[in-house]
Amino acid sequence: EVQLVESGGGLVQPGRSLRLSCAASGFAFHDFAMHWVRQAPGKGLEWVSTITWDSGNIAYADSVKGRFTISRDNARTSLFLHMTSLRPEDTAFYYCTKDVYPLSLVMLFDSWGQGALVTVSS
Amino acid sequence: SLVLTQSPSVSVVPGETATITCDGNNIGTKGVHWYQQRPGQAPRLVISYDSDRPSGISERFSGSNSGNTATLTISRVEAGDEADYYCQVWNRGGDHYALFGGGTQLTVL
Repeated sequence: EVQLVESGGGLVQPGRSLRLSCAASGFAFHDFAMHWVRQAPGKGLEWVSTITWDSGNIAYADSVKGRFTISRDNARTSLFLHMTSLRPEDTAFYYCTKDVYPLSLVMLFDSWGQGALVTVSS
Repeated sequence: SLVLTQSPSVSVVPGETATITCDGNNIGTKGVHWYQQRPGQAPRLVISYDSDRPSGISERFSGSNSGNTATLTISRVEAGDEADYYCQVWNRGGDHYALFGGGTQLTVL
């Protein structure tokens, strides 16, 4: 069974940094592209970032480009999102998601974690 | 740039059919995916590539896509179908790799 478990969320002041982690299990992590999708409280879904299985292709939404960095450790089957210069509008649940096919990037999210809440407030 | 527009809400009585639409310029040329998000839960994929049902998804869920509108249809609606539903496409070359619609809240009366 695929499991994605996010951690590292919390309350942080504007301008500060935070790193989210996602522990993956139940599938060949090293073969799949992974993504972060966020959802502000009471709002819709917003794609944040993508990393391919070999970290060879990385992309960010314009809203986070230059401030967030996605990375992965295939040996530890973990995905990360390092967030800097945080803003109140970054307040959201951050979901770790998995792409559907191995060794392919198709932006189809077939498994989701339960989300980590990041609150940016002074 | 491409924008996906969904009606904010749809209401239906149990046993009837719910129709949720996703409008976008030439969306019929893209593969559309649908996610269900029940209150307090993470999203779940219910339809991929316009009309494919992932394993474990009820056959009451179906989809279509043509022209400027993609449609998610839920037949014989049950109370457990009450959720937010989001459409999504791969917007290659656009500002966002993955683009979501604003979501439709399905209320089962």
